[in-house]
Amino acid sequence: DTAVSQTPKYLVTQMGNDKSIKCEQNLGHDTMYWYKQDSKKFLKIMFSYNNKELIINETVPNRFSPKSPDKAHLNLHINSLELGDSAVYFCASSQDSVPGTQYFGPGTRLLVL
Amino acid sequence: KNEVEQSPQNLTAQEGEFITINCSYSVGISALHWLQQHPGGGIVSLFMLSSGKKKHGRLIATINIQEKHSSLHITASHPRDSAVYICAVGRGGSEKLVFGKGTKLTVNP
Repeated sequence: DTAVSQTPKYLVTQMGNDKSIKCEQNLGHDTMYWYKQDSKKFLKIMFSYNNKELIINETVPNRFSPKSPDKAHLNLHINSLELGDSAVYFCASSQDSVPGTQYFGPGTRLLVL
Repeated sequence: KNEVEQSPQNLTAQEGEFITINCSYSVGISALHWLQQHPGGGIVSLFMLSSGKKKHGRLIATINIQEKHSSLHITASHPRDSAVYICAVGRGGSEKLVFGKGTKLTVNP
């Protein structure tokens, strides 16, 4: 059974479109994260939720909106996609909000044309 | 300057060699993490440590809190160890991880 799953794995879309990436974890963890990995492979935190409550909101454009319907799911919606949004987006989870061992999803490779 | 610095950026070794990857950080931390990103893109957590040393198979991670430095060692390296190794720190009092830029390791047969 996959611990942290993301869909879709690949997403190719045009500038200006709106898209969503879904993440689910079956580890019973309380905290989930969205990370962005840029073309230089640099990882950076975007958001973190603990028990459906937003606890980290980095300086991310407000076109990005996370939603956590329950503690096992954290989705990422992106409005008005821009070329610079092209990256790999990783979802992760950990047991505690003070970052414990991170369990990563497989990543979603987003390409904006 | 990034809060987390890794060296070297790239490392090429021959199979069987002993590998060391270094990580220095400039902030107070609650814990330090070592991650491995496979060529296919998947990321796996290798270690989380806040003091001393941890060992898992051929991998050893050490941390010196006073010197704000950690090392990841790989003994008897193998081509399947080829990956990007990423150091990340949990900043004291914060819930977020700050990442280094990674060290790309290539082990040739």
